[in-house]
Amino acid sequence: DGGITQSPKYLFRKEGQNVTLSCEQNLNHDAMYWYRQDPGQGLRLIYYSQIVNDFQKGDIAEGYSVSREKKESFPLTVTSAQKNPTAFYLCASFPWTSGNTGELFFGEGSRLTVL
Amino acid sequence: AQSVTQPDIHITVSEGASLELRCNYSYGATPYLFWYVQSPGQGLQLLLKYFSGDTLVQGIKGFEAEFKRSQSSFNLRKPSVHWSDAAEYFCAVGEPAGKSTFGDGTTLTVKP
Repeated sequence: DGGITQSPKYLFRKEGQNVTLSCEQNLNHDAMYWYRQDPGQGLRLIYYSQIVNDFQKGDIAEGYSVSREKKESFPLTVTSAQKNPTAFYLCASFPWTSGNTGELFFGEGSRLTVL
Repeated sequence: AQSVTQPDIHITVSEGASLELRCNYSYGATPYLFWYVQSPGQGLQLLLKYFSGDTLVQGIKGFEAEFKRSQSSFNLRKPSVHWSDAAEYFCAVGEPAGKSTFGDGTTLTVKP
């Protein structure tokens, strides 16, 4: 079945360590997105990529980095510069085709806890 | 800039009662509007969407929503709530290019 796979589902790290969250999709979608979710704050856009080898900052990009070397993959690195990294991270994809109706397709999320 | 407001942080309804979740948006053009549902620790699932045509849209699980341009609203409704509907609900406004802005969510609790 086609879908978006995020891993790991749970991740614990010490302060000062970089961590990388994986996002893989087999939907052949062009665009991919990373959102951060905190209680009571909805989803906030971190980074997005509409084509391979290109990506743009979202609303809260500071302390994060991404790469898009393959269409299927959009990993997110949470760096030590991120002041409050504990959160639930959601990856989504979007088919950049005519006639699309704008909805995003989400993975199951990764919960990062920094100790 | 586009924005979405969900005025109700938490709603509690009895099983079998009707439900309405409110959503107001701000967007400069004709909006793409969505309602998503999220169970604890899970990703978001699309309930329904509006992008043109009939202003009353039907979705999965018996949900419907009505787009009212004059009120900049896109409220979600269900005539009879089931215990399995307990979850968090997000309203979102999207661009044709795929970027979406989400409201802060409404948590629904269903009383037996």
